[in-house]
Amino acid sequence: DADVTQTPRNRITKTGKRIMLECSQTKGHDRMYWYRQDPGLGLRLIYYSFDVKDINKGEISDGYSVSRQAQAKFSLSLESAIPNQTALYFCATSDGERRNTEAFFGQGTRLTVV
Amino acid sequence: GQNIDQPTEMTATEGAIVQINCTYQTSGFNGLFWYQQHAGEAPTFLSYNVLDGLEEKGRFSSFLSRSKGYSYLLLKELQMKDSASYLCAVHSGGYQKVTFGTGTKLQVIP
Repeated sequence: DADVTQTPRNRITKTGKRIMLECSQTKGHDRMYWYRQDPGLGLRLIYYSFDVKDINKGEISDGYSVSRQAQAKFSLSLESAIPNQTALYFCATSDGERRNTEAFFGQGTRLTVV
Repeated sequence: GQNIDQPTEMTATEGAIVQINCTYQTSGFNGLFWYQQHAGEAPTFLSYNVLDGLEEKGRFSSFLSRSKGYSYLLLKELQMKDSASYLCAVHSGGYQKVTFGTGTKLQVIP
């Protein structure tokens, strides 16, 4: 089983719909992140959370919201999806106890907004 | 803000050596990551450099010069499976923010 699991893996939705992407982890890490990846733009940080009570905006948070339901769960919502939110979305975790910690990524959610 | 530059694409021959460069400008620099990402898959960790110099890990090595804002990833004895994107990511700031470059797509040809 994957340490970082994202659901769904693929989703097609219509403009204006609300959609939630879910992420759960079994690594016991305190830090969780949501990124989106677009061709030519690399990975861009949407939101990050350093513990259950700590939520922070990343560089491109407009149009998105998040919820950290538990240490192991971090969900991303698009309140009213628009076509330019079509992208590959990655959840990631890291261990805040280790300064040199790398991020562990989920397998990604490919979202298409039509 | 941060500025991270790496070449968009590179091509190299199986069995050869390739060097992928990354330059960056940032404040509060902590270290630099390299990740590998195969098409449609999740990025996976390759290396993390904090101090100047070369760190070797099997066929892959990573170099850092903090004063020059420069890093490179060196891949030796290239294999076809090394065809992937290589992401440079800068780790900076008190909150350990990580910012990714746009990635270098490496194609290994026979």
